[in-house]
Parts: sequence; C-alpha cells; structure tokens
Amino acid sequence: DAKTTQPPSMDCAEGRAANLPCNHSTISGNEYVYWYRQIHSQGPQYIIHGLKNNETNEMASLIITEDRKSSTLILPHATLRDTAVYYCIVRGVTTDSWGKLQFGAGTQVVVTP
Amino acid sequence: DAGVTQSPTHLIKTRGQQVTLRCSPKSGHDTVSWYQQALGQGPQFIFQYYEEEERQRGNFPDRFSGHQFPNYSSELNVNALLLGDSALYLCASSKPPGRTGDTQYFGPGTRLTVL
Repeated sequence: DAKTTQPPSMDCAEGRAANLPCNHSTISGNEYVYWYRQIHSQGPQYIIHGLKNNETNEMASLIITEDRKSSTLILPHATLRDTAVYYCIVRGVTTDSWGKLQFGAGTQVVVTP
Repeated sequence: DAGVTQSPTHLIKTRGQQVTLRCSPKSGHDTVSWYQQALGQGPQFIFQYYEEEERQRGNFPDRFSGHQFPNYSSELNVNALLLGDSALYLCASSKPPGRTGDTQYFGPGTRLTVL
C-alpha cells in the first residue's frame, strides 16, 4: 500500500501558484519524498525529490515540514500544460525496498484558463 | 542524450498468447524497473533488474518474467495472457538505489491490449 495521502483532485487558475499537499505520517528517517506527474497516457515525469530540506528546481519547489510528516509541491506559475495527475511517493533505499516506487492514486490537477 | 525508450508503442494479443516488451535505458543508467498501470490506477511495481539479476519483485505471478542484457537493456515477458493483463507497461531506468543519480526516469510505455 502507498504510504502517502493526497487529495483526489484540485483546480488551479492559469498563471497562479498551485500548492499540492501530501501527507506521509509514517515516513522513516532514510526515506525520501519524490514527486512525479503523469499527463494522460504518457509515462510519469520526474519533478523533484527531497529528504528533509526544502528543494527547488526549474519545475517546482518542494516544502517538507520539520517533522517530515507532510510536504507541499508548489508549481509557481501554473500553465495549461501542467494539467496532469501528480503523485507523491515515499521511497526508501534499503535492500528490502531496493528503490521501488509505490504509487498511490495521486491528485488530478486541472489548470483552467 | 536519449531518454528511456520502449517498444513497441502498442500491441494487441489474444488470451493465452505470450508477449515480449523491450526497454532501452537512459544513457548512463544501468538499473531498469518495470511497472504495470491499469486504466485509472497508479503504476504498480513488477520488478527491478541490476547487473543482469532480478533484485526486487512486486506482487506479480510467475507468468511475468524479465531479463537484462549486458548493454543494460531489458525485456519483460508475459506468458499465458489474461484479459486483466491489458495495461500500460512502463519501464524506468536509473542508477542503483543509494547511488548518486538513482532517480527513476520513465519511458513512454507500451500499451498492451488482450482480447
């Protein structure tokens, strides 16, 4: 079972920031938070990941709470091309998990003009 | 720099047949993972290959098998196809878990339809 909880859907106006929440209350110390998105019928696209510090790249920012039990993915200026299902994934690197990704249902984000 | 490639793009088979799907990893990657995505659901992990060995397996029957070649490319084989095997099959490549560059990057997928 996925170790994360995300809202099933959310809408965002084009040009505004999109803030996508994720709860991962059972995360352990060596597990990373990863975000991917999937545009209809395409392969998932990597967005960003982090362990405990906030991270930013050209696509998005990732804010992880101090207790690491939740995080928020921020798309600073949403465009219509950001409409997709967004997946928040907790990933371990121990030999028993060997880096497999456990996808949940994700959040369907719809960006409207 | 080529990304992850998969072939074929689409495939139609009938129940009981066997199918082979292929994946070439992103340049510099040596680890390949396979996922199955049924319609309306998130991808489910099938197995992962590194150094030509299966390193981890998800909850899939033995009808699903794989192989990794010395050039790091990989195949997914499914025997005795069932209607429920209809799905998008995704390949992801990376460096081994725990190493720098172990983020998984996905290919476009192979859409398998079983009639």
